[in-house]
Amino acid sequence: AQKVTQAQTEISVVEKEDVTLDCVYETRDTTYYLFWYKQPPSGELVFLIRRNSFDEQNEISGRYSWNFQKSTSSFNFTITASQVVDSAVYFCALSEDTTGNQFYFGTGTSLTVIP
Amino acid sequence: KAGVTQTPRYLIKTRGQQVTLSCSPISGHRSVSWYQQTPGQGLQFLFEYFSETQRNKGNFPGRFSGRQFSNSRSEMNVSTLELGDSALYLCASSLFGYSTDTQYFGPGTRLTVL
Repeated sequence: AQKVTQAQTEISVVEKEDVTLDCVYETRDTTYYLFWYKQPPSGELVFLIRRNSFDEQNEISGRYSWNFQKSTSSFNFTITASQVVDSAVYFCALSEDTTGNQFYFGTGTSLTVIP
Repeated sequence: KAGVTQTPRYLIKTRGQQVTLSCSPISGHRSVSWYQQTPGQGLQFLFEYFSETQRNKGNFPGRFSGRQFSNSRSEMNVSTLELGDSALYLCASSLFGYSTDTQYFGPGTRLTVL
């Protein structure tokens, strides 16, 4: 079974619209870590955020915000006032204490921001 | 600080050949992980090295191997290449390879097998 599910394969929005990327995870560990990465066309995965399982506080960084809800095993990512430079593939990932630093990645959501 | 570097960036090989990819981690990082990215399978964990020892391994055949040197640089080798090995190979480094550690990724090596 997939440990990380990103149900949205592709999303297109018009510039300045808000967009939310969904991430649902599955783990039996009580201690785990969630990550979001951005992969622009150049291919390099760029780290965006890390959240541990004990910290459910939502986080905002500029136009980016993350909503972590353990009750629904979700870690969603919202981009406010999207820009063309936000166009990329976004990956959600999970690491668990019991499996070390092996990351389990979702299949990614390809975001296209139309000018 | 310089980021993770990978060489070469692009490779074209034919079936049956072998290939070696190189990764230099961020200075001070001692853990190096390798991932394979394909359109069909997504990002899959290959293995992780720390202090020249393989600590963790994904579900890949023995044709995929790696090693780490005393300066934390790592290489991965794929022998007897198959068409299905065509992929983007990403290397990531972290301080100690704990589950708490953030992994920082290199630009990848795009391998094409003909």
